[in-house]
Amino acid sequence: DGGITQSPKYLFRKEGQNVTLSCEQNLNHDAMYWYRQDPGQGLRLIYYSQIVNDFQKGDIAEGYSVSREKKESFPLTVTSAQKNPTAFYLCATQGQGKETQYFGPGTRLLVL
Amino acid sequence: AQSVSQHNHHVILSEAASLELGCNYSYGGTVNLFWYVQYPGQHLQLLLKYFSGDPLVKGIKGFEAEFIKSKFSFNLRKPSVQWSDTAEYFCAVSLYNTNAGKSTFGDGTTLTVKP
Repeated sequence: DGGITQSPKYLFRKEGQNVTLSCEQNLNHDAMYWYRQDPGQGLRLIYYSQIVNDFQKGDIAEGYSVSREKKESFPLTVTSAQKNPTAFYLCATQGQGKETQYFGPGTRLLVL
Repeated sequence: AQSVSQHNHHVILSEAASLELGCNYSYGGTVNLFWYVQYPGQHLQLLLKYFSGDPLVKGIKGFEAEFIKSKFSFNLRKPSVQWSDTAEYFCAVSLYNTNAGKSTFGDGTTLTVKP
C-alpha cells in the first residue's frame, strides 16, 4: 500500500507543546521530504533529507525540526515556536536518480 | 528560485467536457515537470511527467500535457472528463540533473466534474 506510512492520521497540539509526526518508508528510497499543505497554497517544503544523518531546510523550516537516523524514518517535530501549525502534513520519498516523488497519506495537525 | 503558477484555482465542468489546466513556471534552465493528482481521500500521486524528448506526454486515465519551452508552460489536458476525475491537481517543477531533486509545487487546481 504505497510503502509510506504516516502516523497518526490526526494529531492535536496544545499551546506550547512540541509534537512529532512519524514518517516511515519501506521503499529503500534515499531522499525523504516533508511538505505542509494549506488550502489554496499548495505544498510548501519544510525539510528534506537526501541521505541518512543529513538534512536541509526547505522554504518554511522555521518552527520545525527533523532527524534522519535511519534510512526508513524521517520524523518531523512541530515545535512551540511554530505559531500557525494547523495544516495537513505530507511526507514523500524519492529514489536515487528517480525524480518522481511518492507521497504518504498525510497527518492533519490541529491546535486545541 | 523557481516558482510555479497554476492559473485556475477551481474549475467546474460537466461530464464529457474538455479540460485544460494551465501551469507556468519561472526558471530559465532545464527542468523536470510533473502533474500530480489527489483524489478525495487518497494519496497524492503522479499523473504524468516530462524529463526530456517528446514535449507531448501522456499519463494515466487519458490525461496528457504539453511542454512548451518558449512559453514556460506545461498545461494539462483531457478531451473528455468523467465524474471520477474530480480531484485536486498540482503542477510541480524540479531542476534537471541536480542532486537535490526537490520539487516546487503550484497552489493546486480543484476540479469538480458534475455528472
